[in-house]
Amino acid sequence: GNSVTQMEGPVTLSEEAFLTINCTYTATGYPSLFWYVQYPGEGLQLLLKATKADDKGSNKGFEATYRKETTSFHLEKGSVQVSDSAVYFCALKLDKIIFGKGTRLHILP
Amino acid sequence: EADIYQTPRYLVIGTGKKITLECSQTMGHDKMYWYQQDPGMELHLIHYSYGVNSTEKGDLSSESTVSRIRTEHFPLTLESARPSHTSQYLCASGDTGAGELFFGEGSRLTVL
Repeated sequence: GNSVTQMEGPVTLSEEAFLTINCTYTATGYPSLFWYVQYPGEGLQLLLKATKADDKGSNKGFEATYRKETTSFHLEKGSVQVSDSAVYFCALKLDKIIFGKGTRLHILP
Repeated sequence: EADIYQTPRYLVIGTGKKITLECSQTMGHDKMYWYQQDPGMELHLIHYSYGVNSTEKGDLSSESTVSRIRTEHFPLTLESARPSHTSQYLCASGDTGAGELFFGEGSRLTVL
């Protein structure tokens, strides 16, 4: 079946550090891939997306590249800020949307 | 900015009470969803609808029920709340093509 696996958290980094949150997927087909972010006390919001292989999604300094050969969609940011502290969800969509379990990120000042 | 609204944001009630969580969207989306989010953050799909008068149960069994009488409105009802229903409930909507979901801010339910 289709599934999403993302690295377990929490992930704790200092401000200005480099961030990677790993995400791999299993899919019978060619899914669209997404990263959603959930700030404290809020619902999820779309951070970025990619709809086909080799596409790169980017937003707010975050990037992720759709890698079909490794079935991955890792989230990266070159220099994180305290305001990036949140929970990040990787997701795929074929006939329906499937979310990963979420990765909590703490950024220390 | 997403136009999807949930009320109430927070609700504390006693066991046995009937509650309805409201969800409305102004984007004209056909697809709407209810997720239950546990303290460990994981999202569990409990109900979804692909249009008016269409409702389906999700992956996680739930004692709640939903209705979809109007496109913009997708309320969730618990006839008799129990402490095990204490959770965060997130409503979402999306259109058929793009795949992106828009989420409300959530309703945090506590049953004493």
